[in-house]
Amino acid sequence: EAGVAQSPRYKIIEKRQSVAFWCNPISGHATLYWYQQILGQGPKLLIQFQNNGVVDDSQLPKDRFSAERLKGVDSTLKIQPAKLEDSAVYLCASSGPSRGPGGYTFGSGTRLTVV
Amino acid sequence: SQQGEEDPQALSIQEGENATMNCSYKTSINNLQWYRQNSGRGLVHLILIRSNEREKHSGRLRVTLDTSKKSSSLLITASRAADTASYFCATDAWGAQKLVFGQGTRLTINP
Repeated sequence: EAGVAQSPRYKIIEKRQSVAFWCNPISGHATLYWYQQILGQGPKLLIQFQNNGVVDDSQLPKDRFSAERLKGVDSTLKIQPAKLEDSAVYLCASSGPSRGPGGYTFGSGTRLTVV
Repeated sequence: SQQGEEDPQALSIQEGENATMNCSYKTSINNLQWYRQNSGRGLVHLILIRSNEREKHSGRLRVTLDTSKKSSSLLITASRAADTASYFCATDAWGAQKLVFGQGTRLTINP
């Protein structure tokens, strides 16, 4: 079974530029999550989707971050404009039938560096 | 917000010794999970303990859960250099269907 796919793997941008990350969850997983992990910290949930609806986006900085999950499958997370403090690893995860051992399956993440 | 608080933030021990990490959380949970993360890599699921369980074993790992104190511990016995990594506890609260992570413990095993 394929895992959660994320791209790109790495991204370096200058502050005030825009960037987008893509996630393809495990087939059939209704719930999709985006986490932000700043170096030295634990992952922080940014947004949770159930199918194509938002369940929780309480920690998403909505003035610069946006996310969508069209058709309830793939998802895109966008930052516009980026700030230095957005440098982090962005992890996508999904849950649903055929879940991972903890109920959640994580992608390998996108490492963003803002300079 | 981070629900889990982990202690210690960093731990350095000699190979062969046991490593113990603690996690405290704030709300009622369905289960608590431990993950490992090697530098620059993804999260690896280690073990899950449900709220009605008190202790669970998996190989060299032993996890305890005290729901009255809202705390958990992860014990790694006979540590190896390959155990060097960051370890995170994550709580799965009733009805929330999401994981909330702690800040993690950075474990270093010295050969």
